[in-house]
Amino acid sequence: NAGVTQTPKFQVLKTGQSMTLQCAQDMNHEYMSWYRQDPGMGLRLIHYSVGAGITDQGEVPNGYNVSRSTTEDFPLRLLSAAPSQTSVYFCASTSSAGGLFFGSGTQLSVL
Amino acid sequence: QQQVKQSPQSLIVQKGGISIINCAYENTAFDYFPWYQQFPGKGPALLIAIRPDVSEKKEGRFTISFNKSAKQFSLHIMDSQPGDSATYFCAAPYNNDMRFGAGTRLTVKP
Repeated sequence: NAGVTQTPKFQVLKTGQSMTLQCAQDMNHEYMSWYRQDPGMGLRLIHYSVGAGITDQGEVPNGYNVSRSTTEDFPLRLLSAAPSQTSVYFCASTSSAGGLFFGSGTQLSVL
Repeated sequence: QQQVKQSPQSLIVQKGGISIINCAYENTAFDYFPWYQQFPGKGPALLIAIRPDVSEKKEGRFTISFNKSAKQFSLHIMDSQPGDSATYFCAAPYNNDMRFGAGTRLTVKP
């Protein structure tokens, strides 16, 4: 079972560059989300989606865009990368019971 | 912003000992309180979760104790093993947002 698949695993960007982090799940979960993980701060919600065509902002949405054209895919776009966006990013999908299934993460460095 | 406060930040336990991690949350109308386990370089994985219609849930060596009136819940790891060394996160749901504690780095010494 693939579960939640994230690509790439590592990425280095220069300030001002844009990029898209890919996320796909094969569990037919309606709810998907993106988190960033920073030392000592746990996981913070960036954006989430309750189903195809529906997205909303989380706790730290600035500088990020998302779209949800299908149930399976939930890409995260960095519009103009800044050093403050250096972090580890996790995509997750949520089961009907409430548990989150996380991808393996993308380690992003912005120089 | 709703907060989830987790303690301690780090914990060192001898093999065979009991590891205890605590979590406190603010008011929420939702009823699902999980613990996640994360190994270096991996995403968090659901370890155990509780709904507050019970005060305790046990799965193998892992137990959640829940105190609804105090808005607190804790993770107990019995007979801790070196393989349990990881970072543990508690979480609490708020509307469409699952809020996480800052994490506890557990080290189990052989």
